[in-house]
Amino acid sequence: AQSVTQLGSHVSVSEGALVLLRCNYSSSVPPYLFWYVQYPNQGLQLLLKYTTGATLVKGINGFEAEFKKSETSFHLTKPSAHMSDAAEYFCAVSDKRTGANNLFFGTGTRLTVIP
Amino acid sequence: GAVVSQHPSRVICKSGTSVKIECRSLDFQATTMFWYRQFPKQSLMLMATSNEGSKATYEQGVEKDKFLINHASLTLSTLTVTSAHPEDSSFYICSARVPGAGGHEQYFGPGTRLTVT
Repeated sequence: AQSVTQLGSHVSVSEGALVLLRCNYSSSVPPYLFWYVQYPNQGLQLLLKYTTGATLVKGINGFEAEFKKSETSFHLTKPSAHMSDAAEYFCAVSDKRTGANNLFFGTGTRLTVIP
Repeated sequence: GAVVSQHPSRVICKSGTSVKIECRSLDFQATTMFWYRQFPKQSLMLMATSNEGSKATYEQGVEKDKFLINHASLTLSTLTVTSAHPEDSSFYICSARVPGAGGHEQYFGPGTRLTVT
């Protein structure tokens, strides 16, 4: 069974500082990996995804994530936080092995950016 | 990119009534759509998978008679909350699988906030 762990339900950074949001997955076979962002009272927007190929994935709004198989991790980073980055971030996986369509979400990390 | 819309964005209904939420894929055909439920400050929980032209597949613990899903066309899926109760108040989000994207990428609607009084 798939599971996703996001360490830290709340992360606060200063504007201009590095953003690091952690995500670890549990699966015997590396899954497809996703990061979504959710602004208040809105749906989810795909930030980036890893399916195959290069393990460092670049997404929108300056975010990137690196798939590390040995660490079963897919941490999200951004070199310099902006006030508009304040939102809820969800890491998600889908099962590559069974071809399952549904996504399994982590519990989310709320990012606060301090001016 | 693929756009998914939901209607209404907010709805308030009285206990015992039914509410229908629509999910539409605007610029692509979606053979598969998903319905999620999100409680305040929590993650999304998959309720059911909606397949065009066939019955929805419900996740364990989700009452299929209470949450009726219809996927009558390739661009529209509806979720009807029947005999709604205050505990059904939640944020409901749909998503659609994008064809040809490896079958694993989903685009999400903006969500519908349901409040049952």
